[in-house]
Amino acid sequence: KNQVEQSPQSLIILEGKNCTLQCNYTVSPFSNLRWYKQDTGRGPVSLTIMTFSENTKSNGRYTATLDADTKQSSLHITASQLSDSASYICVVSAKGSNFGNEKLTFGTGTRLTIIP
Amino acid sequence: DADVTQTPRNRITKTGKRIMLECSQTKGHDRMYWYRQDPGLGLRLIYYSFDVKDINKGEISDGYSVSRQAQAKFSLSLESAIPNQTALYFCATSDIRGPSTDTQYFGPGTRLTVL
Repeated sequence: KNQVEQSPQSLIILEGKNCTLQCNYTVSPFSNLRWYKQDTGRGPVSLTIMTFSENTKSNGRYTATLDADTKQSSLHITASQLSDSASYICVVSAKGSNFGNEKLTFGTGTRLTIIP
Repeated sequence: DADVTQTPRNRITKTGKRIMLECSQTKGHDRMYWYRQDPGLGLRLIYYSFDVKDINKGEISDGYSVSRQAQAKFSLSLESAIPNQTALYFCATSDIRGPSTDTQYFGPGTRLTVL
């Protein structure tokens, strides 16, 4: 069974500090890994998407890494801001039988709170 | 994302009632999806549609049905709502640009409570 596990479940840090969120997965056959940000009361918004051949991708202050050998990913947030308070969801895609027919497995998310 | 809208945003209903949740998109995407989100669980796929004539069941389709009225509209129905269908429901769209590159765009969600 495909699974995505995220840690920690929740995290509180001071504004301006850095943090790293973790994602471990057992999804096969692997296609890509995505990180989403979900603000309270809103839908998830895509931050990054990485395929097997990519081991790092940045989006502003967000940097995602992927180790396909150990099946681990991390999301690093630099110089956190109050607006970074949200849930961060790791999503892993498994290749489907046809082109574009992929199956997504969602993690339960890490709830990040930035305090002033 | 204003390009994907959901109505209603909140709904409280009683067990046994028929409920329809509606989703509209202006992104011009062919693919649309319905998910539910429960506390402590990841999003789970209910139904998805790759075009107007294509409807597919997701991992938790029992108790739900869908209708793809047009490229831009995808509705989710609960024929006879039950309390364990209380959840946050999200519609999403995607635009496949190549293998492993379709990004999903989510609507704001509908919070459904079944009493």
